[in-house]
Amino acid sequence: KNEVEQSPQNLTAQEGEFITINCSYSVGISALHWLQQHPGGGIVSLFMLSSGKKKHGRLIATINIQEKHSSLHITASHPRDSAVYICAVTGGGSQGNLIFGKGTKLSVKP
Amino acid sequence: DAGITQSPRHKVTETGTPVTLRCHQTENHRYMYWYRQDPGHGLRLIHYSYGVKDTDKGEVSDGYSVSRSKTEDFLLTLESATSSQTSVYFCAIRGQGLAQYFGPGTRLLVL
Repeated sequence: KNEVEQSPQNLTAQEGEFITINCSYSVGISALHWLQQHPGGGIVSLFMLSSGKKKHGRLIATINIQEKHSSLHITASHPRDSAVYICAVTGGGSQGNLIFGKGTKLSVKP
Repeated sequence: DAGITQSPRHKVTETGTPVTLRCHQTENHRYMYWYRQDPGHGLRLIHYSYGVKDTDKGEVSDGYSVSRSKTEDFLLTLESATSSQTSVYFCAIRGQGLAQYFGPGTRLLVL
């Protein structure tokens, strides 16, 4: 079993829809990260959180430490949001490397 | 932008040849990482460094070695490339706190 599980694997939405991507993890963590990767592109950090909720523009990330679960929400989705969204966690050790989910491929249709 | 560059950005090589990928950072960060990204597996840690000459293995280190003789450079070497090492390689640095910033990636094809 993977230490970080994401769902769904693939998601197709119509422009304007509200989107939720889920992430569950099974290890102790220091932080949880949401990353974005456009096709053929680099990896950009969207959020890093260890508790509660963060918001940036139309993106909202929440985390429930007790349930070991996080969600990424996109409000009023747009075709430019089409990308792969990756959940990753920083474990409890000192090395600080990330453990990744396999990603959610989002396609937003106009 | 954490000032991370990778070279080369694309490389095609033949099985059995040695390959070295370079990661360069401009901001003096202590921790640096090499990950590989493969369909169906996502991103996985190959090796990491926590200072000059201080390195350790990650989840998928077999067939790879690393070196860090200067703070700004972290080199990943495939001693004898195999087709299973065809992948996209990302370097990352650990910034303030636990934030990570990624380089642009290197696409490696081993024929």
